Amino acid sequence: GAVVSQHPSWVICKSGTSVKIECRSLDFQATTMFWYRQFPKQSLMLMATSNEGSKATYEQGVEKDKFLINHASLTLSTLTVTSAHPEDSSFYICSALRTESYEQYFGPGTRLTVT
Amino acid sequence: DAKTTQPTSMDCAEGRAANLPCNHSTISGNEYVYWYRQIHSQGPQYIIHGLKNNETNEMASLIITEDRKSSTLILPHATLRDTAVYYCIVRVANFGNEKLTFGTGTRLTIIP
Repeated sequence: GAVVSQHPSWVICKSGTSVKIECRSLDFQATTMFWYRQFPKQSLMLMATSNEGSKATYEQGVEKDKFLINHASLTLSTLTVTSAHPEDSSFYICSALRTESYEQYFGPGTRLTVT
Repeated sequence: DAKTTQPTSMDCAEGRAANLPCNHSTISGNEYVYWYRQIHSQGPQYIIHGLKNNETNEMASLIITEDRKSSTLILPHATLRDTAVYYCIVRVANFGNEKLTFGTGTRLTIIP
């Protein structure tokens, strides 16, 4: 099956610092990956679409300068939360698109807590 | 993508079949019905998808009505590990339509 990993699985950081989250497709190449955010007791909200070798496409209301996305290889996308604040505390989930089937495979998520 | 409507929550006894309904009355002819589930504090897991025929795999069965305006996900013998939020999503599965829009889903609780 298609496996997607995320690192770290959880992170605690201080307000004002930046945090990088990695998303890797382990057994397939993904030219497109997606980043979602999920607040407690809410559904997943798509933040941005990450395209290998080009700029990410952000959903309306998501600050591209705050949530930096880099998709430098066919198996790795990173999300950097810059100058994190407590309201950025959330569960961040990535998915990778398998081109042959147009199916998305999800990572296990990263829980970010900003103190 | 077409909007879906699901019950907020459901309970099911362990060992029984869990039947989760989904309404998608505005579905287009080329839109598939997908089901994902999310166990607490994990990423979503793909379950099954279909276009118009009923589908079955090792996890579940998907029954789509003839007019395609609704569907039912069936977990034939629910276990405690099936407790999760189940999302029904309809979308066109081709280039340029890869986004998934998650609704609120159904919170399924399996009761011992």
